[in-house]
Amino acid sequence: KAGVTQTPRYLIKTRGQQVTLSCSPISGHRSVSWYQQTPGQGLQFLFEYFSETQRNKGNFPGRFSGRQFSNSRSEMNVSTLELGDSALYLCASSLVTSGESGEQFFGPGTRLTVL
Amino acid sequence: TQLLEQSPQFLSIQEGENLTVYCNSSSVFSSLQWYRQEPGEGPVLLVTVVTGGEVKKLKRLTFQFGDARKDSSLHITAAQPGDTGLYLCAGAPQAGTALIFGKGTTLSVSS
Repeated sequence: KAGVTQTPRYLIKTRGQQVTLSCSPISGHRSVSWYQQTPGQGLQFLFEYFSETQRNKGNFPGRFSGRQFSNSRSEMNVSTLELGDSALYLCASSLVTSGESGEQFFGPGTRLTVL
Repeated sequence: TQLLEQSPQFLSIQEGENLTVYCNSSSVFSSLQWYRQEPGEGPVLLVTVVTGGEVKKLKRLTFQFGDARKDSSLHITAAQPGDTGLYLCAGAPQAGTALIFGKGTTLSVSS
């Protein structure tokens, strides 16, 4: 079956702009989690959605938001971009919520560069 | 804040050598997972350990969960260039909470 897909794969924006990233989970998976990965901080949890409801939220400012649609596809939005938002944004899907030891299947990520 | 500390941060070895990477915390985790990430790709789950003292083997990889469920280790026997990548441990402090990831160990195996 098809894996997790993320679009776009690469994105270049300037400070102050906003961006929307998209994630399509594996068919049948209801949980989608988003992570930010940087060399200095590693993988940091942004938020998780399960059946269109936000289940968990990481320690990120309100400029980072997300949503999940009825078909489990998810989007995350970052408003008023800052240089420090440059990172690889990873989406992961799973059958159960991430805290239930279920395997998370990651997409290839979206590489965001903020100039 | 419950942290997962991984060591070493970087490891560069020759093909055929053995190595161990560690994942430590001051807190108890209900389970720990190990992932490997290759450049340009997302992490891929290698194993989940759930019982204190548990040992799991995956070909040349041996994973151990500490008796107190606060630490884990990954041992690779006779490393190969294909083992090169970023190894990440992750755990959920409690059921229903989000996964926390360690910062990872970057392994480079040269032939």
